[in-house]
Amino acid sequence: DTGVSQDPRHKITKRGQNVTFRCDPISEHNRLYWYRQTLGQGPEFLTYFQNEAQLEKSRLLSDRFSAERPKGSFSTLEIQRTEQGDSAMYLCASSTHLLTLHFGNGTRLTVT
Amino acid sequence: GESVGLHLPTLSVQEGDNSIINCAYSNSASDYFIWYKQESGKGPQFIIDIRSNMDKRQGQRVTVLLNKTVKHLSLQIAATQPGDSAVYFCAEIIPVGGGADGLTFGKGTHLIIQP
Repeated sequence: DTGVSQDPRHKITKRGQNVTFRCDPISEHNRLYWYRQTLGQGPEFLTYFQNEAQLEKSRLLSDRFSAERPKGSFSTLEIQRTEQGDSAMYLCASSTHLLTLHFGNGTRLTVT
Repeated sequence: GESVGLHLPTLSVQEGDNSIINCAYSNSASDYFIWYKQESGKGPQFIIDIRSNMDKRQGQRVTVLLNKTVKHLSLQIAATQPGDSAVYFCAEIIPVGGGADGLTFGKGTHLIIQP
């Protein structure tokens, strides 16, 4: 399967701990997006990369969140000092255009 | 508040029947709409899209209707099957500077197919 891959699928952490998620996009896609989704809601945009450049960040992305895409391939999303409100599904998507997003199956974060 | 939303959070239909999922939007500047299907434990999957200069588009067993006068979008699924059970989201693209945050999702409708 050459779709978008996310790791881990599930993460349980204690409040105050740092967590890091990884996304491997479809190889020929230069665009990579991170979204957050809570139960019953649609995905909310967090940040966007074109190749290795982080071009956009949502105001939802507090300073505890940081994302990187160092070589323009895989990306990591780190959350520092996690809070219970960070519990959500974190989705990664890749594309060659905004109109054709391919989503991964997400990382479900639970902060206890 | 959100500019894209759905009228019903849950829709239950009999297998084989047709289903209609509705979506209202409020931003008249939206020029492109997408329906996504999300199965449990998976990411959203593209179903069908429509541009604002169209009022209908058909795919395989799915039809999207766009009524710009009342800012309403619907997804019709013909002859529903158990595999259609999922949450369906409409999403709109607002051409604000062409940015990635121009894609906005609604809250979702959970479609349940009864045997």
